[in-house]
Amino acid sequence: GNSVTQMEGPVTLSEEAFLTINCTYTATGYPSLFWYVQYPGEGLQLLLKATKADDKGSNKGFEATYRKETTSFHLEKGSVQVSDSAVYFCALRGSARQLTFGSGTQLTVLP
Amino acid sequence: GAVVSQHPSRVICKSGTSVKIECRSLDFQATTMFWYRQFPKQSLMLMATSNEGSKATYEQGVEKDKFLINHASLTLSTLTVTSAHPEDSSFYICSARDPGRDVTDTQYFGPGTRLTVL
Repeated sequence: GNSVTQMEGPVTLSEEAFLTINCTYTATGYPSLFWYVQYPGEGLQLLLKATKADDKGSNKGFEATYRKETTSFHLEKGSVQVSDSAVYFCALRGSARQLTFGSGTQLTVLP
Repeated sequence: GAVVSQHPSRVICKSGTSVKIECRSLDFQATTMFWYRQFPKQSLMLMATSNEGSKATYEQGVEKDKFLINHASLTLSTLTVTSAHPEDSSFYICSARDPGRDVTDTQYFGPGTRLTVL
């Protein structure tokens, strides 16, 4: 079946540091890939997505590139802010149209 | 656009009672809605998929008689936790999609409902 393996947290960074959260996946066919963000006390929000190999999703300074050869979709941001503190979930959607989530990575950005 | 609401946001109930959680798509018609359960510091686990006007499809290990799902209209799905027990305490999240709205078939999530069973 489909699965998503996500870098375990928590991750603590200083403001303006570079962020990478690793995500790899296992799936049959050609899944779509997503990053969702969950701010404290709120529901999940779609951060970015990519629907085919070599696509780059981007939003709010975050980027992730769909790498089929390495089955990866790592999340990156060049300069994090305190307001980026949240839990980040990598997810895929396969042929069954259901989302499979990674375990989530807690990010804390210190001023 | 693409707003999904849930009500209530928090509920506390006594063991043995039933609790109903509503999920609404506010500005689009949701042909399919999903219900997830999230344990503290863990990922979301899909409980069931509901299509408007038909019976929900439950994931393996989810008791359909305990977690009743109704998707009676294109903008409303309800999850009823029957005879709730403390182990049912969790964060319940719904999501909705409308393929006619977004060709990439994105799911839009509600803010979640925190259920505490005493």
